[in-house]
Amino acid sequence: ETGVTQTPRHLVMGMTNKKSLKCEQHLGHNAMYWYKQSAKKPLELMFVYNFKEQTENNSVPSRFSPECPNSSHLFLHLHTLQPEDSALYLCASSQVGRDSPLHFGNGTRLTVT
Amino acid sequence: DAKTTQPTSMDCAEGRAANLPCNHSTISGNEYVYWYRQIHSQGPQYIIHGLKNNETNEMASLIITEDRKSSTLILPHATLRDTAVYYCIVRVAVRGGGNKLTFGTGTQLKVEL
Repeated sequence: ETGVTQTPRHLVMGMTNKKSLKCEQHLGHNAMYWYKQSAKKPLELMFVYNFKEQTENNSVPSRFSPECPNSSHLFLHLHTLQPEDSALYLCASSQVGRDSPLHFGNGTRLTVT
Repeated sequence: DAKTTQPTSMDCAEGRAANLPCNHSTISGNEYVYWYRQIHSQGPQYIIHGLKNNETNEMASLIITEDRKSSTLILPHATLRDTAVYYCIVRVAVRGGGNKLTFGTGTQLKVEL
């Protein structure tokens, strides 16, 4: 149990589907993050939210749309994805502070067919 | 953020100490050293972090050289469950902001009987 819960754990979707990934943190943190990990590649930061406000968009295509309704919840809305978007999508949270470490969930394994 | 260099892989016998090195020769005075590990198909797990002084917690010890250009993560009694990819990350803490971490390729530690 990491304190950061991601659902679903696995997702298969077609290129025309719309789906959403959900992340919830139970650690009282106020910053949340989306990372992408493609096969045999390092983790790539996608988005950062501090106090529900987006502070970082790492040149992510618009077919990925994040939403952060409050400090405990983070969503990633997906539409018109490509097969190369298949990856492990990881959510993390931290305190907004000088050296607060990130705490990660166990990710959603996404396969786009 | 300073770049880090880690060996691609290491082996360790179960019950022995695992010493994982990290070189960060361009580190600046306000950059922290973080260590994470990732077991296959799970999210990265926070281990420990430090600025100047050596740090110890229930999982590991972090030894930072006096010039701060390198560090070593020590798992005192490695078990098979410590087999994972270990990431050393150097990061400037942003006051009032989230803590974006940039992951490299890490060290694959294999603990064997």
